[in-house]
Amino acid sequence: NAGVTQTPKFQVLKTGQSMTLQCAQDMNHEYMSWYRQDPGMGLRLIHYSVGAGITDQGEVPNGYNVSRSTTEDFPLRLLSAAPSQTSVYFCASSYSREFSSGNTIYFGEGSWLTVV
Amino acid sequence: GNSVTQMEGPVTLSEEAFLTINCTYTATGYPSLFWYVQYPGEGLQLLLKATKADDKGSNKGFEATYRKETTSFHLEKGSVQVSDSAVYFCALGDTGANSKLTFGKGITLSVRP
Repeated sequence: NAGVTQTPKFQVLKTGQSMTLQCAQDMNHEYMSWYRQDPGMGLRLIHYSVGAGITDQGEVPNGYNVSRSTTEDFPLRLLSAAPSQTSVYFCASSYSREFSSGNTIYFGEGSWLTVV
Repeated sequence: GNSVTQMEGPVTLSEEAFLTINCTYTATGYPSLFWYVQYPGEGLQLLLKATKADDKGSNKGFEATYRKETTSFHLEKGSVQVSDSAVYFCALGDTGANSKLTFGKGITLSVRP
């Protein structure tokens, strides 16, 4: 069971560089999302998608871009990296948009990004 | 808006001690509640969940009961082990149709042999 797969696991970027964090899930989940984790702040939602071709902003979207061309993939692009984007990034997916049915969100293993 | 408040950490316990990690929430409606765990160098794993009031989630000896009257979802374990050392996050599932989780700040638990 691959589940939610993120690459790369570790990356160091220079300020101003761009890069893409890859995320893929093999569970045919409709919903995918990206969170960032910062010390003492828990996880915060960056962007999310409720299906192929549909994306929307979360709590902290500035400096990030996403697209959802297939059900399986949801890449996160950093357009011009800044030191404030040093963080751990988590991709997540779930089979539906609601929790009331017992839906659970599954997380990838994380991508540790450092911007110098 | 929704919010989750966890007790301040870090917490250090001796092996076999009793664990309680407090979590309270603010939300409209009837959110689902979750505990996630992050072991050193790893991603987040779902530990347990509860989807309605008075539900008890349990897994690996951990338990938490959804208390709507006190808006709480405290995590408990009767006897912790060194392998339980990790960061624990309480989270709230939005009642809207966007599958959004709101997380607490997390608390680091260290268990000494």
